[in-house]
Amino acid sequence: SYDLTQPPSVSVAPGQTARITCGGNDIGTKNVHWYQHKPGQAPVLVVYDDSDRPSGIPERFSGSNSGDTATLTINRVAAGDEADYYCQVWESYSGVFGGGTKLTVL
Amino acid sequence: QVQLQESGPGLVKPSETLSLTCTVSGYSISSGYYWAWVRRPPGKGLEWIGSMFHTGGTYYNPSLKSRVTISIDTSKNQFSLQLSSVTAADTAVYYCAREGGNLLDSWGRGTRVTVSS
Repeated sequence: SYDLTQPPSVSVAPGQTARITCGGNDIGTKNVHWYQHKPGQAPVLVVYDDSDRPSGIPERFSGSNSGDTATLTINRVAAGDEADYYCQVWESYSGVFGGGTKLTVL
Repeated sequence: QVQLQESGPGLVKPSETLSLTCTVSGYSISSGYYWAWVRRPPGKGLEWIGSMFHTGGTYYNPSLKSRVTISIDTSKNQFSLQLSSVTAADTAVYYCAREGGNLLDSWGRGTRVTVSS
């Protein structure tokens, strides 16, 4: 099976930049998607195909992917960005999620 | 705008079959896309269960494949999940979602299922 590794938690002060990593063997050769999940709500796709944003997602959210690491970057972090974030790829005819990262806004 | 809503029993006994339904509005299932199920056990991350195309093609998580069945009812614009021989490890919030391009672009809010006698 293909494993995706995320840090369990990331903390950042309001207005600063948060970077959430997703590690996997040669992940740079795959399309990586990122989801934001707030308690009690439906998960939301915030970045797809490494670096594209769905309509309605602020430009503050961006992504990159190279080598063994994909990164979700959130600029000018706000309190409303506090959530769990998951990376996802498609592997062996199934979706695979990372373990998730809890973003805390200090 | 597509909307998805999960429904089904919140409590299932061990060894029985978990059955959930997802009702889709704002989009016709028969128009395309795959339709997926994902779960989140308490204290853990998201887990992909499987997905199905409206014409019948399916993809299942290899770790769950022997126990999972996803089906579609285009007449009701619904799709369903059946998970057999459940144990406490299957306790989770279950989400339905629309899948396109191997990503999930619309999700339901989830339904909590507890496996307990």
